[in-house]
Amino acid sequence: RKEVEQDPGPFNVPEGATVAFNCTYSNSASQSFFWYRQDCRKEPKLLMSVYSSGNEDGRFTAQLNRASQYISLLIRDSKLSDSATYLCVVNNNNAGNMLTFGGGTRLMVKP
Amino acid sequence: DAGVTQSPTHLIKTRGQHVTLRCSPISGHKSVSWYQQVLGQGPQFIFQYYEKEERGRGNFPDRFSARQFPNYSSELNVNALLLGDSALYLCASSVFGRDETQYFGPGTRLLVL
Repeated sequence: RKEVEQDPGPFNVPEGATVAFNCTYSNSASQSFFWYRQDCRKEPKLLMSVYSSGNEDGRFTAQLNRASQYISLLIRDSKLSDSATYLCVVNNNNAGNMLTFGGGTRLMVKP
Repeated sequence: DAGVTQSPTHLIKTRGQHVTLRCSPISGHKSVSWYQQVLGQGPQFIFQYYEKEERGRGNFPDRFSARQFPNYSSELNVNALLLGDSALYLCASSVFGRDETQYFGPGTRLLVL
């Protein structure tokens, strides 16, 4: 079983749609959680950190459920520029700063 | 301010050769981590260095080695290259190397023939 699991997609949605991605992690000791965005043939870039209380950044909302070891990302009012691969990432801080990535979920927003 | 830089951007090698990849962290960052991203997968952790000492090692064979220099730049070395080593090699830097945001460089794309 992979440490971080995501649905690879692709999710094909029209502009303006709301789309949600989910992710599960297996290491209950994980302490930090992130969503990264990766464009084709580019490096991953931090989209947002994820907290138990939930956090929002514009059209993006992230939620963490520690009991279920589940992380989600909601994108509202999708834009063409949101097309990318979204990587769910956890950090077991007891092991330094080692990030464990999911395989990514590909999103394609169409006109 | 300059971000994380990596060189070379692209590299083609043949099986059995060795390769050295280089990374310069963001100014003021003391920790560098290396990741391997095979096509269609998420990045996988290879090494972390902080203050020139190895802080973590992923599940990679001994053919992979790294070091960090006094100016905090880093090298990743891979010996006896295999076809399966073809990947995007990413370097990430952070200030202290613990429970922090990591910033990724553009990567080195390695193709082994």
